[in-house]
Amino acid sequence: KAGVTQTPRYLIKTRGQQVTLSCSPISGHRSVSWYQQTPGQGLQFLFEYFSETQRNKGNFPGRFSGRQFSNSRSEMNVSTLELGDSALYLCASSLAILAGETQYFGPGTRLLVL
Amino acid sequence: DQQVKQNSPSLSVQEGRISILNCDYTNSMFDYFLWYKKYPAEGPTFLISISSIKDKNEDGRFTVFLNKSAKHLSLHIVPSQPGDSAVYFCAASPLNTGTASKLTFGTGTRLQVTL
Repeated sequence: KAGVTQTPRYLIKTRGQQVTLSCSPISGHRSVSWYQQTPGQGLQFLFEYFSETQRNKGNFPGRFSGRQFSNSRSEMNVSTLELGDSALYLCASSLAILAGETQYFGPGTRLLVL
Repeated sequence: DQQVKQNSPSLSVQEGRISILNCDYTNSMFDYFLWYKKYPAEGPTFLISISSIKDKNEDGRFTVFLNKSAKHLSLHIVPSQPGDSAVYFCAASPLNTGTASKLTFGTGTRLQVTL
């Protein structure tokens, strides 16, 4: 079974631009969560999508948004990029049928904002 | 407010010895705890988990202990191997279905297993 895939793996943007990251979950998984990893803050939860609906949201500004498609693939968008948005963005998927199910992570997209 | 804390940013252990990684949490709503291992340029890999109804869970060389009254958990790796060198993240979530996917992570402990 293929794992979680994320594209692109690396991205360089400049301040003020916007970016879209993509995540394909493990086949059959309906929940996709997004996390931001920075050296100082560790992994921070951005949001979770389940059956095309945002189910949970972390403490990030409205510049960070996402969506999920009917095939469970998800995209994350960051508008008006700031230098502090430079980070590794990780996507995780799970079946999310029962509580406490394990999330499986993709390799991440490393975003550098210049 | 760091709800999940890993106070040791790094740990060095000799091959064959025991590695003990610690994690403390403050949110009493957390019911489910996980450990993930992360190598550079890869996403975190699930290692082991424990729910609050247990105080110990074992999987091969990995054992997780949970002390609910102290809001403390630890990961024991015995024996430690060079391939265990990685960053280890502790994570927690409430156990109700609606929020179980919202993991709160610690800042990680970098484990180095030396020969």
